[in-house]
Amino acid sequence: DIVMTQTPLSSPVTLGQPASISCRSSQSLVHTDGNTYLSWLQQRPGQPPRLLIYKISNRFSGVPDRFGGSGAGTDFTLKISRVEAEDVGVYYCMQTAQFPYTFGRGTKLEIK
Amino acid sequence: QVHLQQSGPGLLKPSQTLSLTCAISGDSVSSNTAAWNWIRQSPSRGLEWLGRTYYRSQWYFDYAVSVKSRMTIDADASKNQFSLQLNSVIPEDTAIYYCVRVDYDRSGSSQNWFDPWGQGTLVTVSS
Repeated sequence: DIVMTQTPLSSPVTLGQPASISCRSSQSLVHTDGNTYLSWLQQRPGQPPRLLIYKISNRFSGVPDRFGGSGAGTDFTLKISRVEAEDVGVYYCMQTAQFPYTFGRGTKLEIK
Repeated sequence: QVHLQQSGPGLLKPSQTLSLTCAISGDSVSSNTAAWNWIRQSPSRGLEWLGRTYYRSQWYFDYAVSVKSRMTIDADASKNQFSLQLNSVIPEDTAIYYCVRVDYDRSGSSQNWFDPWGQGTLVTVSS
C-alpha cells in the first residue's frame, strides 16, 4: 500500500498568516493515464471530510482561493495564503492513484 | 446537486453483520461518470478506503484487501442506492462509515473529484 506521510502533525497559526502542510507518498502518484491523483480534504469537528483540492492543484467548487495545492510525483503541499478562523480543523492528503486508496494521518490546524 | 443520505444501525454485537445503505439524489447509481465508494474513519486506523462499485456497461466492484473476505457492496438501480455489508464484525470495525461519490470524465475512466460525502454513520461494535 502507498503510505502517505503528512507534516506537521499540528500547526498553530496566527489569523491572517499563511499556513503550509506537506504530504509525501511512498510511491509516485502518477497514474498510467498521466494524471496525478493527490487530493486534500478538510475536516471540521463533527463533520464529514470536505474536498478542497483534487489532482494536486485543482480547487473544488466553492473552495476559497486562499487554498492552493502544488507538487509532483511524491511531494505535495497545501498552502493557505491567509488563515481565517473557519479554517480550523484537520487536513488530510489522499492518494487515489493506486488501490487501496490511502490517506495521511492528518494535520491539525489551530489558531494561536 | 448530488446528495448522499446514509442509513443503517449504529450498534452491533461482535459476529453480527453490518448493513449500511447510501441513497442517492441528483445522480444515478448507474451513471457512467461516477463511482460509489465506502470509506471509514476511526481514531486508531484513521481514514480507510473500503471499496467501491461503478457501472460501465456492467457492474464492477473493488474491495480493500483488509475487508475483502467479509465485505460486499451492492447497487440497486431501482432504488437508486448502494449498500455495504460487512460480515462477522469485530470491535475493530467500530468507526464512522461514509459513502462518497467519485466523479469521472466523460469517458468514465479518468477520475475527477471525491464529492459529495454522506453524513456519516457511527457504527459501534460492542458486546
